[in-house]
Amino acid sequence: QVQLQESGPGLVQPSETLSLTCTVSGGSIGSYYWTWIRQPPGKGLEWIGYIYYSGSTIYNPSLKSRVTMSVDMSKNQFSLKLSSVTAADTAVYYCARGLVGPSREYYFDYWGQGTLVTVSS
Amino acid sequence: SSDLTQDPTVSVALGQTVRVTCQGDSLRSYYASWYQQKPGQAPVLVIYGKNNRPSGIPDRFSGSSSGNTASLTITGAQAEDEADYYCNSRDTSANHGVFGGGTRLTVL
Repeated sequence: QVQLQESGPGLVQPSETLSLTCTVSGGSIGSYYWTWIRQPPGKGLEWIGYIYYSGSTIYNPSLKSRVTMSVDMSKNQFSLKLSSVTAADTAVYYCARGLVGPSREYYFDYWGQGTLVTVSS
Repeated sequence: SSDLTQDPTVSVALGQTVRVTCQGDSLRSYYASWYQQKPGQAPVLVIYGKNNRPSGIPDRFSGSSSGNTASLTITGAQAEDEADYYCNSRDTSANHGVFGGGTRLTVL
């Protein structure tokens, strides 16, 4: 059974960089689109971006200038960095395993439990 | 546009059938995937592709698609189906993902 677990600081100062890591257990990190998704309190889901196991990335255009993702296959981990954060970046951050199927499928089959990151001084 | 549009709220009587819809141009290229989210929990995949259910998802959940509209149908809604439902797809021009705004389903 594949499991994902987010880790990182729960409180980040405004203008600083938010850093999170997702550890994948029970499966290989290869051949999937490792994705970050966030959800501000009381609001909907927002797709942040993904990193393919090869290291290629696609980011949400609205966040692209502030987002960096990386993958460490030796540790079965992938990471998110979001710079110059403001209160608007306060959210539950989820990591998820993404798949693109041969018949026009695109979906996330495994999710982490989510971690709340608050941006505040 | 890569936006996906969902009705904010939908209600259904216990045991009846309900359809939750999602509209957007990206749905012409990729099937929607659907996620159920209950308070305080991570989203759970319920439908993906043309009409596929992950293991453990009841067969009362089904999906369909036509043009730029995708639908999630719950046939015989149960009290435990009360939740937020989100659709997701992929923008083909830039390959980035997109979520709908979510639909809160109330089972009466």
